[in-house]
Amino acid sequence: AQSVTQPDIHITVSEGASLELRCNYSYGATPYLFWYVQSPGQGLQLLLKYFSGDTLVQGIKGFEAEFKRSQSSFNLRKPSVHWSDAAEYFCAVGAQGGSEKLVFGKGTKLTVNP
Amino acid sequence: DTAVSQTPKYLVTQMGNDKSIKCEQNLGHDTMYWYKQDSKKFLKIMFSYNNKELIINETVPNRFSPKSPDKAHLNLHINSLELGDSAVYFCASSQASGRSQETQYFGPGTRLLVL
Repeated sequence: AQSVTQPDIHITVSEGASLELRCNYSYGATPYLFWYVQSPGQGLQLLLKYFSGDTLVQGIKGFEAEFKRSQSSFNLRKPSVHWSDAAEYFCAVGAQGGSEKLVFGKGTKLTVNP
Repeated sequence: DTAVSQTPKYLVTQMGNDKSIKCEQNLGHDTMYWYKQDSKKFLKIMFSYNNKELIINETVPNRFSPKSPDKAHLNLHINSLELGDSAVYFCASSQASGRSQETQYFGPGTRLLVL
């Protein structure tokens, strides 16, 4: 069964600084990988996803993520954070050829200081 | 237009009561889901339906019963509510069944508080 670890529970950055949120997965084959964002009091919105091809994936709102098979990682990055990026970020993994079940990490809360 | 909608947005109720949460999607998707997000923000799938048929049923107490009257609706009925059922319940939908690379679209959530 697949699993996801987000090592950082809470990260604080200053507005304009760069951001990297870590995600490590466990799965026996090439996984499908997702990053979702949850703004306070809202549902989840997909930022980007990877399932094949180029390992550097571009998403919405200026986010990108890189799939590194050797490190079992799918870290999310943004070069310059905006105050509106403050939210909870979830990494998720799906199984290839299996059911549509997604397994989510426990999330990383991002605080942005002015 | 709201793609995935849930009602009610907030639900406060007493232990032992029975309650329902409704979900509707207007995206024309075949598959719908219920997730539970606990107080620590951990999100876990409960059920998945494809075209009114149950596909995923995680280890959820049988007090929880999903019902899909048509492929655009997936309701969640909870009997004999317990304190531990307090959580945020999210409905989601995706285009196709059996393909976990499909993007899931989430509703705004229903915040359930059991007193």
